[in-house]
Amino acid sequence: EAGVTQSPTHLIKTRGQQATLRCSPISGHTSVYWYQQALGLGLQFLLWYDEGEERNRGNFPPRFSGRQFPNYSSELNVNALELEDSALYLCASSLISQPQHFGDGTRLSIL
Amino acid sequence: DAKTTQPPSMDCAEGRAANLPCNHSTISGNEYVYWYRQIHSQGPQYIIHGLKNNETNEMASLIITEDRKSSTLILPHATLRDTAVYYCIVRVYSGGSNYKLTFGKGTLLTVNP
Repeated sequence: EAGVTQSPTHLIKTRGQQATLRCSPISGHTSVYWYQQALGLGLQFLLWYDEGEERNRGNFPPRFSGRQFPNYSSELNVNALELEDSALYLCASSLISQPQHFGDGTRLSIL
Repeated sequence: DAKTTQPPSMDCAEGRAANLPCNHSTISGNEYVYWYRQIHSQGPQYIIHGLKNNETNEMASLIITEDRKSSTLILPHATLRDTAVYYCIVRVYSGGSNYKLTFGKGTLLTVNP
């Protein structure tokens, strides 16, 4: 069974640009979660999508947004990139009430 | 979600059992104990979870005390590949709050040859 896949593995942007990160969940999983892990910090919850709807978001500004497609894959968009957005962005998927399973993340570097 | 307390680091010899403790003295009756680990530069990996009974799977065993205020994750025969940060997380299993995992600092387990 294929796990959660994320692309790209690495992404380099400059301040003010926009970044798009992609996530394919485990087959059959309807929920997708996004987390940010900045260097030296713990994982911070960003967004939760289920059945195509945004169900909840963490304490992040509106320039962090995303969507979930009919095939349950998901995109995370970050607009007006700032230096402090440099981090590992992790996607997880699950069935409702089941453990979340993570991908290996996209490392976003802002120059 | 209840707070958890874990030692910042532990060492274990290869081939020996690794016992990782976690305190969660404010756990509620409907909160489960989850364990994840994160190997450097990878995403967190789900290990095991439980409510009040001991649980075992192919990766590890989870021992939860009778009062549920603490638990221990046991890796029966640690290998070098088990070197990772181990996170103990307590959360409600279902319902409207079942949308995020709150990761603390975890325990860095170093398995030595």
